This record gives sequence, C-alpha cells and structure tokens, in this order.
Amino acid sequence: DAMVIQNPRYQVTQFGKPVTLSCSQTLNHNVMYWYQQKSSQAPKLLFHYYDKDFNNEADTPDNFQSRRPNTSFCFLDIRSPGLGDAAMYLCATSTTLPTQVSSTDTQYFGPGTRLTVL
Amino acid sequence: GEDVEQSLFLSVREGDSSVINCTYTDSSSTYLYWYKQEPGAGLQLLTYIFSNMDMKQDQRLTVLLNKKDKHLSLRIADTQTGDSAIYFCAERPGTASKLTFGTGTRLQVTL
Repeated sequence: DAMVIQNPRYQVTQFGKPVTLSCSQTLNHNVMYWYQQKSSQAPKLLFHYYDKDFNNEADTPDNFQSRRPNTSFCFLDIRSPGLGDAAMYLCATSTTLPTQVSSTDTQYFGPGTRLTVL
Repeated sequence: GEDVEQSLFLSVREGDSSVINCTYTDSSSTYLYWYKQEPGAGLQLLTYIFSNMDMKQDQRLTVLLNKKDKHLSLRIADTQTGDSAIYFCAERPGTASKLTFGTGTRLQVTL
C-alpha cells in the first residue's frame, strides 16, 4: 500500500550526540514536511521541502537540519540534541503546495518517531 | 494571527454521539481539517471542510462550520471504543502550506 514510512519508530540518543530520523513515501508526493510534537501539545511545523526547495519555519532552531536526496526520502538531522528536543517527530507529505485558495493540499502523516534524549 | 483552541477532554458513553469543538482566529482560513491520533501513532486524516461550506457529512462523521463565529465542530455518531483517541483540528490559511493545529481533544469512550 502507498504510505508514509518513518524509521525508526523509537530512537534513543544521548545529550549532544547527533541523530538522524528517516522518512520515506511511496505516494510520489512533491512536498514533504517535518513536524515536532511534544507531549500533550499540538504538532509544530519545523520545515518542508517542495521538490528540492527547502523552506524553514522562522522559529525552527538551527540545531535542526533536513535533507531530501530524492522524491521518496527525507531526513531530519538533529546536530546536538538537548533534553528539550525529546518529542514525537512526524513526517507528512502532500501532492503539491496550494497555489489556489481552493486547492485541498491534504497532508498525509507517517506514524512518527519518538525521540528520547538521555 | 493564528490560534486554534480546543477543549482538552471529552468523555462519552459507547453508542452516544460525541461533539468535539474547535475555535480558530484566522479569518483567512480556507481549509479546516480533523485528524485523529491514537496512542503512540501518527495523525490520521478524518475529514476536511472548505470554508465556503457549512456542513459536511461522511458516514458517522459530521463537520459543522460557523465561519462568522470561527467555530468548527466534529460530531461522531454512535461512538465506539475504537474512537478513543486525541482529535486535532487544524486550519490552513489562504494558500499557505502550513497547517496550524489545535492542542487536541482527548476523547474517552466508556462502556
């Protein structure tokens, strides 16, 4: 089945030790998103790629980087994880960016990776 | 500005209807979405409504939109234990790609 896959589902890292989270999709969607969701909070958009065009949210810390080597894969790199970076990280995809008000731009989410920082 | 609010918790008995409410502030919101999140899982899109609509029905789900009051609701008919989850409403303003989520409503279904 076409889907959004995230690996690993659970990741444990040490304070300051770089970590990479992976997202892949078989939907052939042009847009891929990374969200951070802390416990009992709403998901918060970190950045998105439209094809190879990277778009960072203004309040996303520099500690967070992303790579998209091809249409199917997108990676989230946390260069020096702090205790405050422990969260669920959600990847999502959509067909395209909304160019018209009437565009649906529905986002499809993966199951998430829960990151623990020791 | 963008702000989406939801009540934190709702408890209903199995078989009853559930109504989850959401208010938003961005008058330029074009699409409004409802997502379901089960424990330890990602977000599952349930339904969405375009801002020129008042109501949308999809099987057991009914979405009502009051654009004047910026109020959105999700009604689940014949609520089942499998409906227990956190429900997030989200808005998309204009042609922005960014979704703004509410804080989520935890629905508990009791026997």
